[in-house]
Amino acid sequence: AQSVSQHNHHVILSEAASLELGCNYSYGGTVNLFWYVQYPGQHLQLLLKYFSGDPLVKGIKGFEAEFIKSKFSFNLRKPSVQWSDTAEYFCAVKEGANNLFFGTGTRLTVIP
Amino acid sequence: NAGVTQTPKFRVLKTGQSMTLLCAQDMNHEYMYWYRQDPGMGLRLIHYSVGEGTTAKGEVPDGYNVSRLKKQNFLLGLESAAPSQTSVYFCASSRDTDTQYFGPGTRLTVL
Repeated sequence: AQSVSQHNHHVILSEAASLELGCNYSYGGTVNLFWYVQYPGQHLQLLLKYFSGDPLVKGIKGFEAEFIKSKFSFNLRKPSVQWSDTAEYFCAVKEGANNLFFGTGTRLTVIP
Repeated sequence: NAGVTQTPKFRVLKTGQSMTLLCAQDMNHEYMYWYRQDPGMGLRLIHYSVGEGTTAKGEVPDGYNVSRLKKQNFLLGLESAAPSQTSVYFCASSRDTDTQYFGPGTRLTVL
């Protein structure tokens, strides 16, 4: 089965700092890649996704992610975080038609 | 358009009791999923359905049963609840094998 690693469990940043959250997966074949965000008390929402094409994917709220196939990575970035970005971020990898595997999540706290 | 809704939002059960969680979607999606979310473990797929009348096992199906009698509904049942089933349960749906849309979750505590 697919294994998805998010190495940062909790990241604390000040507003305007740059963000990069790591995501690595184990499967070497064709995968679809996602980043979801879960704001406090809310359900998961899709930030961005990669299926094919340009490996640099832009999502909502100024987030972007880069797919590096040789490194099995799909890191999430944002140049300047805001207090409202405080949330938990999940990387997910879809292997095959239906199996979506999630990482353990990274909690981001942004200090005003 | 409510998207994906889940009933109930919270529930407390005693060990051995049974219950059913209801997931409903109004997006006419074919695919529906049940996940559980535990601290430090991310989301894990319990069961899923690729269409009305079909169900399949996911990563952690033991102790759960599901039914998809209507396209818009996906039920998750616990026949005999155990403390290990204390978790937050999320339902999701998707049009095909593309993006999944999640419900607000059900927080279940088994004493």
